[in-house]
Order: sequence, then C-alpha cells, then structure tokens
Amino acid sequence: SAVISQKPSRDICQRGTSLTIQCQVDSQVTMMFWYRQQPGQSLTLIATANQGSEATYESGFVIDKFPISRPNLTFSTLTVSNMSPEDSSIYLCSVWGAGYYGYTFGSGTRLTVV
Amino acid sequence: GENVEQHPSTLSVQEGDSAVIKCTYSDSASNYFPWYKQELGKGPQLIIDIRSNVGEKKDQRIAVTLNKTAKHFSLHITETQPEDSAVYFCAASIGGSGNTGKLIFGQGTTLQVKP
Repeated sequence: SAVISQKPSRDICQRGTSLTIQCQVDSQVTMMFWYRQQPGQSLTLIATANQGSEATYESGFVIDKFPISRPNLTFSTLTVSNMSPEDSSIYLCSVWGAGYYGYTFGSGTRLTVV
Repeated sequence: GENVEQHPSTLSVQEGDSAVIKCTYSDSASNYFPWYKQELGKGPQLIIDIRSNVGEKKDQRIAVTLNKTAKHFSLHITETQPEDSAVYFCAASIGGSGNTGKLIFGQGTTLQVKP
C-alpha cells in the first residue's frame, strides 16, 4: 500500500526559531496539502502545495510564516517560521492521487514551542 | 464561508450498542464526504467515504448516509467494540472536480465504548 513518511515525528523548539517538516510519499500524487491540528482540536487546512509553483494558502495563513515547497510529485516541505508557543500543534501532510484511496494522511509532526 | 458542523462532540456507548455521528455542510457544491478515525498519537485514518451520487454506503459495521437536499450526512457504527474508541472526524470537499478539491473538517467526536 502507499506510504507517507513525515519527518520529524516530533520536536521541541525554542521560540523565534524555524522548523522545516518534510513529507515524502512513495509514489507520485496529484494533490498535497498541509494541515494544522491544535491540541484537542480539529484539522485546519494551511495550504495546498503546488508542484513547481507557489502554494495556495487559506485565509489566516501567510507564506512568510508558513513557506511551503513542492519540487516534485512525491515531496513537499512546510516550514514554521519565527515560532511562538501558539504554534505548538500537530502538523499533518495529506495527499490524493492515483494509487491512493481517498485523501491519505501522514502520521503528523508534533511540535512544541518553548 | 464554507464550514462543516459535527455533533455530538462526545459520545459514550456501551459495548455492542450503536453509535451515530451527524454532520451538516454549507457548500451545496460539495460532492465527496469522507469519515476519519484518529487514535491518540496517530494521524487520521480514512474509514469510509461517500460521493454525492450515492445515498448510503456500508462496510461491515460501518455505514454512512447522505441527504444532499438537507446537506447532512451521518456515520453509523453498529455492534461497537472498545477498539472503536477514538476521535472521529467528518469532512466535505470544497472546490475541484470529483474528489480533487480540499477538505473542510468537522469539529470531531470523541467516542468512548465502555466494555
């Protein structure tokens, strides 16, 4: 079955620093998305990662804070910049495409900002 | 804007009983409605989904019903087991064609199945 690898699985970071999260899938996918899940809350879409072009951000999320790259059809990164404790969340990569049934999620990156 | 409302926020049932979770959506163009189960420390796992051209879908103990006119859909779990205890999320697709749009999620339901 298709596999999504998300790294790191968890991290504790100092405020003011940045963290880059990687999402690697084992086959080409059409769509890649990044979600945030704050503690005890639902999933909120941050942006759609577009291959070879700028990501499409949802209301309330900006490129300066959450820069996203998608250099090819199997890989994407999300950077959380200039972190504050309010950025402490689970960040999830999601994909859709041939070989996947429905929208599939990675296991998430659990970020704590201190 | 587009949103998905999910109820109840918590649900406690006895093992063997049925559980029902309900969602309503706002965008009449939504045409794909998945349900996810999230266990502690894990990412959401797709358990069942339904498309707008179907009114009901069943997979063993799990079923989903869709009422497009009323813009609501429901998850039904029969013969619940302790391992069904988790957080369940409904979602609706926004934009795109078929199921290639983005997903908007409900608030989640914490299901507890008591042995």
